[in-house]
Amino acid sequence: DAKTTQPTSMDCAEGRAANLPCNHSTISGNEYVYWYRQIHSQGPQYIIHGLKNNETNEMASLIITEDRKSSTLILPHATLRDTAVYYCIVRGIYGGATNKLIFGTGTLLAVQP
Amino acid sequence: DSGVTQTPKHLITATGQRVTLRCSPRSGDLSVYWYQQSLDQGLQFLIQYYNGEERAKGNILERFSAQQFPDLHSELNLSSLELGDSALYFCASSGTGGGQPQHFGDGTRLSIL
Repeated sequence: DAKTTQPTSMDCAEGRAANLPCNHSTISGNEYVYWYRQIHSQGPQYIIHGLKNNETNEMASLIITEDRKSSTLILPHATLRDTAVYYCIVRGIYGGATNKLIFGTGTLLAVQP
Repeated sequence: DSGVTQTPKHLITATGQRVTLRCSPRSGDLSVYWYQQSLDQGLQFLIQYYNGEERAKGNILERFSAQQFPDLHSELNLSSLELGDSALYFCASSGTGGGQPQHFGDGTRLSIL
């Protein structure tokens, strides 16, 4: 599975959009980009995933560059409850050992009032 | 609510003891994954089961074992416990098909005294 690089921490003002970047320059054609977040020792929460097209759901938007080497998770209107560690994970779509998620250190997003 | 249920939420025991952690996956999910999160190691994949069969193994100690039962719930057995086994243990489940995300439970916090 490709390795990802994320900033260690970011701040965002409440009500503003939070844009979390992720680099995955070694991503291969059969690998998805997944985003999870973990709020203070709770279970990781699935946010969104994508292969090559931009995706949007009720929680966030995922923008993947055309070369697929980087992506950005966008929380359109951050609230204090969005303060969490955000993990960007690249994972193959086939079965076997590639199903596991490899968590890095993620980005600690602090939403400020 | 992810739909994944883990019990117990907290477990306190002594070194040398044995414990069993239980996980009920989301309805319809055939795959179950176990992860360990300790302060110094982050989130680490332990083992995956698919429809009752072991599918993939991570850095799971020989003192640890798991199984998935016909009703698809899974148990993680930890024996000869050591102080270093104190951690959060998360279970996740996913559906079949390429790219299906994993959904995590709230975890079991294991404290070894």
